[in-house]
Amino acid sequence: EAGVAQSPRYKIIEKRQSVAFWCNPISGHATLYWYQQILGQGPKLLIQFQNNGVVDDSQLPKDRFSAERLKGVDSTLKIQPAKLEDSAVYLCASSLTRNVPGELFFGEGSRLTVL
Amino acid sequence: GQQLNQSPQSMFIQEGEDVSMNCTSSSIFNTWLWYKQDPGEGPVLLIALYKAGELTSNGRLTAQFGITRKDSFLNISASIPSDVGIYFCAGPMYSGGGADGLTFGKGTHLIIQP
Repeated sequence: EAGVAQSPRYKIIEKRQSVAFWCNPISGHATLYWYQQILGQGPKLLIQFQNNGVVDDSQLPKDRFSAERLKGVDSTLKIQPAKLEDSAVYLCASSLTRNVPGELFFGEGSRLTVL
Repeated sequence: GQQLNQSPQSMFIQEGEDVSMNCTSSSIFNTWLWYKQDPGEGPVLLIALYKAGELTSNGRLTAQFGITRKDSFLNISASIPSDVGIYFCAGPMYSGGGADGLTFGKGTHLIIQP
């Protein structure tokens, strides 16, 4: 079974530029999450989708971050404009069901460096 | 959101030694999870605990759900080089159901000395 796919693996941009990350979850997984992991920290939830609807985006900095999952499968996370403090690994995760808390499958992440 | 405190922050051990780490919270959790993250990879679920007092093993790993529901412990017996990595505890962000994202601790970095 293929895992969660993310791209790009690495991205370097200057502050005030924009960037987009793509995620393809495990086939059949209805729930998709985007997490931000700053160096030395644990992952922090940014947004959660159930199919193509947003379940929780309370920790998403909406003035600069946006995410969508139009057809309930792939998802994109965009940052515009980027700030230095956005340097982090952006992890996408998916789960089969919300009935069993915690069984999240993570991708390898997209490492963003903002100069 | 609820916060998790992990200790120790890092551990330097010899191959073959047993390892013990813990995770505490000021709030009650109904689920405790332990993940491991290797360099350049996403976290991988090791053990999930769903009941206070529960003791669960996965090979050389054993985790316990504290009776108070405010802590959890992870033990690794007879450590080997591939155990190197960062171990995270995690639990549901919200105690009242609904959205079910996870909150993570800051991790325990396990380093095995030759």
